[in-house]
Amino acid sequence: EIVMTQSPATLSVSPGERATLSCRASQSVSSNLAWYQQKPGQAPRLLIYGASTRATGLPARFSGSGSGTEFTLTISSLQSEDFAVYYCQQYNNWPYTFGQGTKLEIK
Amino acid sequence: QVQLVQSGAEVKKPGASVKVSCTASGYTFTNSAMHWVRQAPGQRLEWMGWINAGIGNTRYSQKFQGRVTITRDTSASTAYMELSSLRSEDTAMYYCARESPAGADFDSWGQGTLVTVSS
Repeated sequence: EIVMTQSPATLSVSPGERATLSCRASQSVSSNLAWYQQKPGQAPRLLIYGASTRATGLPARFSGSGSGTEFTLTISSLQSEDFAVYYCQQYNNWPYTFGQGTKLEIK
Repeated sequence: QVQLVQSGAEVKKPGASVKVSCTASGYTFTNSAMHWVRQAPGQRLEWMGWINAGIGNTRYSQKFQGRVTITRDTSASTAYMELSSLRSEDTAMYYCARESPAGADFDSWGQGTLVTVSS
């Protein structure tokens, strides 16, 4: 099973600033990596797939990069609605696995 | 637009089974796969299994092999996840999620079904 590790566990950032979230896979997942956002009491929401492709309707301030084992989600200018928990997921190998999440909180 | 609507919350005793439904609309049900993911309190998301809604073949996480069964009713555009031999550690929110036609990411999610296992 591929283990996905996210860092940091919690990230405190002020509105308007940039946030950079990291995700590492225990073995290569090529570009078969997705990012999801989850707010309290809600289901996850797809943000990025194929490591760098934005989901339909996602603002351009969200961007994804990386391949193989190292991936990054960047939010260029944080808005109030962006404070949430973010998960990465690999879908290159069964079983599909998720990271433990990064909580993005207001500084 | 794509919508996945799940059945309501369940409370079960240890050793019992639970069956959660997920009714799809806004797309052709048989053209996409459906996955089931669970999230225990304070824990990461955990993939449980998958069904090809068109031909009905399934694949399960080894962790749940033997306890989980995923089925579908194409006439009702509904997928089902049944988990047996429930224990307290199975208390979690259970989600269905549609596999994207463009890849294997999950582009739409149900609202979640809370399953509580308690004596």
